[in-house]
Amino acid sequence: QVQLVQSGAEVKKPGSSVKVACKASGDTFTSNAISWVRQAPGQGLEWMGGIIPVFGTANYAQKFQGRVTIIADESTSTAYMEMSSLRSEDTAMYYCARARRREAAPGKSAFDIWGQGTMVTVSS
Amino acid sequence: DIVMTQSPDSLTLSLGERATINCKSSQSVLYSSNNKNYLAWYQQKPGQPPKLLIYWASIRESGVPDRFSGSGSGADFTLTISSLQAEDVAVYYCQQYYSAPATFGQGTKLEIK
Repeated sequence: QVQLVQSGAEVKKPGSSVKVACKASGDTFTSNAISWVRQAPGQGLEWMGGIIPVFGTANYAQKFQGRVTIIADESTSTAYMEMSSLRSEDTAMYYCARARRREAAPGKSAFDIWGQGTMVTVSS
Repeated sequence: DIVMTQSPDSLTLSLGERATINCKSSQSVLYSSNNKNYLAWYQQKPGQPPKLLIYWASIRESGVPDRFSGSGSGADFTLTISSLQAEDVAVYYCQQYYSAPATFGQGTKLEIK
């Protein structure tokens, strides 16, 4: 049974960048997309983008296009989400989540496995 | 983007009661080519990531108790908990995956009276 294990909490200054890791354990990456979903404190869920690791091409929500980069390293079964030009509104819990459906484009599947979340706090 | 609207925003019921949560999409999420509704339901407890309950609008994920059921088609969907248990206290979200970006409802908070 695959698990997604994320890197630890981050505190960043406005204008800086953050890179969050999501490692698949118990299995290697397959053709299931890995998406990133964020949740601001007390708020709902927001899909940011995703990648099918074996294909390597990422898709992004328009809101995050140009500010977020999602990559995957098949050799370590790890996906990464990097966000630049951080602002206070980016303070949130960031989750990686696996698509339930193989080869479905990122965002075009239900998410059956979730990481534990990485809290990113942006504060001066 | 497809907008998902849930109702009610919150719900307080007694143990053993039936809970009904509604989800409406701004356009149909039914794919005519395969007759599938691209709609999922999640449960999120405090301090935990969301947990998949239902996909394809009505298919229960493995291990999910059968008191949880999903119904509906097109643009109107319902999550039903047949007999509320203490462990069902959570926030519930619907999600469409018909078109990118995937979008979620605002959530429905379920509490016990």
